[in-house]
Amino acid sequence: QVQLVESGGGVVRPGGSLRLSCVASGFVFSDYGVHWVRQAPGKGLEWVACVHFDRDEDYYAESVKGRFTISRDNSKDMFYLQMDRVITEDTAVYYCVYGDYVESWGQGTLVTVSS
Amino acid sequence: QVVLTQSPSASASLGASVTLTCTLSSRHTTFAIAWYQQQPQKGPRYLMKLNNDGSHSKGDGIPDRFSGSSSGAERYLTISSLQSEDEADYYCQTWVTGYWVFGGGTRLTVL
Repeated sequence: QVQLVESGGGVVRPGGSLRLSCVASGFVFSDYGVHWVRQAPGKGLEWVACVHFDRDEDYYAESVKGRFTISRDNSKDMFYLQMDRVITEDTAVYYCVYGDYVESWGQGTLVTVSS
Repeated sequence: QVVLTQSPSASASLGASVTLTCTLSSRHTTFAIAWYQQQPQKGPRYLMKLNNDGSHSKGDGIPDRFSGSSSGAERYLTISSLQSEDEADYYCQTWVTGYWVFGGGTRLTVL
């Protein structure tokens, strides 16, 4: 069955960097765009970034543009979120997902930005 | 830019029915959406994909009590025979080339 597993979360200081990873299985990874979605404590769901199946196009929410970079490795069925110059508002559970909508959510990985 | 609008809160009595609404921005009234449920302290759960014509495809194990419908820019989620476990946050989401959009969510209270 479809599975996406996030890793790489943790505590990071404001201004620091963190790299999240996601390994996918159960579908043809190279056929789909992939996304990161986050949920801050007590808040709603927020789309963060996506990269198209062929890696040629990536898109970002205004809140992270210029600070985060999404990338993928189709040979490994993995994708990543490089988080640079993090701020306290980036504290959230981050989910990796694919396609147009999410039929199966993973556990997510918690990122805490704190001094 | 697509915008999805949801009322922040709704309430209904145990055993009753409730309809939650997700409204698309005026230039995007033909878009399909997805509905998700998030019970307290849990991750989101996919309920259904809802098309412009009201047809919908539900996720595995979603009870028949959950149904969807559409009218113009409005996308509806109806929950009948409300149970205590239906008390949750409900989000709608749509997709465009290049980005996704989530509604702000509706917190449903079962009285």
